[in-house]
Amino acid sequence: GDSVTQMEGPVTLSEEAFLTINCTYTATGYPSLFWYVQYPGEGLQLLLKATKADDKGSNKGFEATYRKETTSFHLEKGSVQVSDSAVYFCALSGTTDSWGKLQFGAGTQVVVTP
Amino acid sequence: EAQVTQNPRYLITVTGKKLTVTCSQNMNHEYMSWYRQDPGLGLRQIYYSMNVEVTDKGDVPEGYKVSRKEKRNFPLILESPSPNQTSLYFCASSDRGAMNEQFFGPGTRLTVL
Repeated sequence: GDSVTQMEGPVTLSEEAFLTINCTYTATGYPSLFWYVQYPGEGLQLLLKATKADDKGSNKGFEATYRKETTSFHLEKGSVQVSDSAVYFCALSGTTDSWGKLQFGAGTQVVVTP
Repeated sequence: EAQVTQNPRYLITVTGKKLTVTCSQNMNHEYMSWYRQDPGLGLRQIYYSMNVEVTDKGDVPEGYKVSRKEKRNFPLILESPSPNQTSLYFCASSDRGAMNEQFFGPGTRLTVL
């Protein structure tokens, strides 16, 4: 079945550093890809999405590009802030196997220090 | 304010004592879903509902029941909870299925002793 693999955390960075979180997927067909973020003590919220190959999703300074040839959807931000400390989840949906659900990766905790 | 609410937020119970976690959304969404979050496993879907009276199993449905009698409510029922159901539970909704943005509730932390 479909699956999503993320780099393990925690990732610890200083403020203003560059952030990359790797995400690769295995899927039958052509999924839509998502990044969700979970701030401490809260539910998940959508950060960005991409629905087809070469699409770039962006929001709040974060970007991710749907790369079909490498089955990847890496998340990047050029200059992180302490407020970006959270758990980030890569997810996919829209294939026969993932119909009706989001298939999540394990999540990557990011800690940004002042 | 558009939101998904869950109750209770925290619950400690004992093995075998039936419980219900409620979920309600005020966005008139057709699609609703339940996930459980466990360390190292991310979120896994328990059940989902594409509309009123339509429910379907997710990846880990064993030990859970759901119902969708009204559009806004999607309760999760544990008829005989066991310790392996200790987890953080999230309800989510969206307007047209899982591929659209899903709005998540704040979570219910359940401990089964």
